Amino acid sequence: DGGITQSPKYLFRKEGQNVTLSCEQNLNHDAMYWYRQDPGQGLRLIYYSQIVNDFQKGDIAEGYSVSREKKESFPLTVTSAQKNPTAFYLCASRKQGLFGYEQFFGPGTRLTVL
Amino acid sequence: AQTVTQSQPEMSVQEAETVTLSCTYDTSESDYYLFWYKQPPSRQMILVIRQEAYKQQNATENRFSVNFQKAAKSFSLKISDSQLGDAAMYFCAYNGRETSGSRLTFGEGTQLTVNP
Repeated sequence: DGGITQSPKYLFRKEGQNVTLSCEQNLNHDAMYWYRQDPGQGLRLIYYSQIVNDFQKGDIAEGYSVSREKKESFPLTVTSAQKNPTAFYLCASRKQGLFGYEQFFGPGTRLTVL
Repeated sequence: AQTVTQSQPEMSVQEAETVTLSCTYDTSESDYYLFWYKQPPSRQMILVIRQEAYKQQNATENRFSVNFQKAAKSFSLKISDSQLGDAAMYFCAYNGRETSGSRLTFGEGTQLTVNP
C-alpha cells in the first residue's frame, strides 16, 4: 500500500542536541512538507520541497534544516538553535503540477526535549 | 497574505444530530481550493472534503457537505447524522493558485465532541 511513514513515533532529546526526524513516501509525489503542531493549535509550515535537491523555508524555519536528496525522502533536523522544539511534527506529500490536489499526511512524530 | 479563521475552538453535538463548523478566509485571488481535514485522537490527518472556488455547487461526501459562499469568503462544514467516530479536531485549509502554489494555509481548528 502506498503511503507516508514517519519515524520514530516518539522521540526524546536532551537540550543542546540535534535530532533528525525521518519522512518517507512511496506515493511518487514530487512535493513534500514539514509542519509543526503545538497543543490545541493549527499546523505551521516549517519547510517544503517541490522537487529533488530544492526546498523552501516555510513560516517557522528558524532552528530547523532539511535535505531532499531523493524523491521519496525528506528528513527534518531539529537543531539546538530551535528554542522550543517540543511539539508534534507532521510530514506531508502532494502530487505536483496539477492545481488543487490535497496533501497526504504521515502519522507524525512526537518530539520531547528533556 | 491569506488567512484562514475558525472562530469556534470547540463544538459539541449529540449523536445522530447535525452540526455546522465555521470557516472564513481572506484572499484577493479568484482561483483557489478549500479543504476540510479531520484529525482524530490518533492525530492522523484525513481529508474530509474539497471545494474548488470556480464551482458554484457545494461539495458533498456522504454525511459531510459544505456551504461555500464565495462573496462572503465563508466555507462551513455540515456533518449530518453525527457519529461517535466523527469526534476529532477539524481544520479548514486554503490553497491559492497564484500566491500559495502548493502550500496550504490552515485555520486554528475546531475540536468537535460527539455525545452519545
